Amino acid sequence: DAGVTQSPTHLIKTRGQHVTLRCSPISGHKSVSWYQQVLGQGPQFIFQYYEKEERGRGNFPDRFSARQFPNYSSELNVNALLLGDSALYLCASSFGGQGGQETQYFGPGTRLLVL
Amino acid sequence: AQSVSQHNHHVILSEAASLELGCNYSYGGTVNLFWYVQYPGQHLQLLLKYFSGDPLVKGIKGFEAEFIKSKFSFNLRKPSVQWSDTAEYFCAVNAGRGSTLGRLYFGRGTQLTVWP
Repeated sequence: DAGVTQSPTHLIKTRGQHVTLRCSPISGHKSVSWYQQVLGQGPQFIFQYYEKEERGRGNFPDRFSARQFPNYSSELNVNALLLGDSALYLCASSFGGQGGQETQYFGPGTRLLVL
Repeated sequence: AQSVSQHNHHVILSEAASLELGCNYSYGGTVNLFWYVQYPGQHLQLLLKYFSGDPLVKGIKGFEAEFIKSKFSFNLRKPSVQWSDTAEYFCAVNAGRGSTLGRLYFGRGTQLTVWP
């Protein structure tokens, strides 16, 4: 069975540019969450989507946006990149609809470097 | 807001030593608790989870964790570590209601190094 997939694996951008990261959930999963992991820290929640609706948003500026498509895949967009956006961006999928009692399965991440 | 504390940032052990990694969280309501592991070059994988019931939960690869509600703790244990357990370990908590439900709050992680 395929796990959560993310693309691209690595990305280098310059300040002020825009980036789009993509995620495909495990088959049958309807919820996708995005996390940012900076070096030396644990992942921090950015967004969660369920059935194409935003279910939750973390403490990130409006430069960060996301959406979920009818096939449950998702995109994370970051505008006006800053050096501090350099991080590993993780996507996690879960069945959804089970409240907090659901397990999130993580993808390999996209490593973003902003120069 | 919820927070998760992992007090040991780096633990170094010899093979066959016993392991205990601490995890404390700050939330007074019902919580769901997780331990994830990240082996070198691999993605985050679930080690074990607690939703309800027996507070002593067993996970993969001989790991277990005990939920102590009165101490807001969910410590990870393994009686005898192996070199292959070298990895970073993250404690995570899911708590709250409404829009906060479903999001995981992670600790900053503990790097475990096991010497053969």
